Amino acid sequence: GQSLEQPSEVTAVEGAIVQINCTYQTSGFYGLSWYQQHDGGAPTFLSYNALDGLEETGRFSSFLSRSDSYGYLLLQELQMKDSASYFCAGLTGGGNKLTFGTGTQLKVEL
Amino acid sequence: GAVVSQHPSRVICKSGTSVKIECRSLDFQATTMFWYRQFPKQSLMLMATSNEGSKATYEQGVEKDKFLINHASLTLSTLTVTSAHPEDSSFYICSASLAAVYEQFFGPGTRLTVL
Repeated sequence: GQSLEQPSEVTAVEGAIVQINCTYQTSGFYGLSWYQQHDGGAPTFLSYNALDGLEETGRFSSFLSRSDSYGYLLLQELQMKDSASYFCAGLTGGGNKLTFGTGTQLKVEL
Repeated sequence: GAVVSQHPSRVICKSGTSVKIECRSLDFQATTMFWYRQFPKQSLMLMATSNEGSKATYEQGVEKDKFLINHASLTLSTLTVTSAHPEDSSFYICSASLAAVYEQFFGPGTRLTVL
């Protein structure tokens, strides 16, 4: 089956850097997306890695290593508004669907 | 751009009734729409993939006759939960992709409570 595992919870202070890891076991893996979801809200797309390496988008960066079946989301200069759940999602099913990870709740404290 | 709406946002119904949830892409034509189910503090579970004009593709374990999906146009997909029971109570979220499946635009979700 498909599985993407993430730490359930991460806590960090405002202004810090935090890394949210995602390890996966999937067949037919095409790439890794990251989504943010605030409580009661809709998930929003953050980034996508098709190739190995680091993708940077403002304060957020995402990394993928296919050989290690591993990726991470890096959030810099943390702000209170970054408190949310973060999901990695593998592009699978012939590239026709996303399989979401277990999710990580990030708490940013003062 | 790329806004997806969902209606209703909340619905409470009696056991045994059917509930229809609409998902619309407001400012783009979606090649594919997806339906997910999410339990509190848990991940999004894909229920089915919906393409305009063709039958939905259901994930393993999802009952086709219970969760009816219709994708009548490039901007509208509906999910009907038939003969709802309390165990169907959940947060249902739809999404739509414009070009790339890895970037999906999500609706605000529908909280279904079955009494």
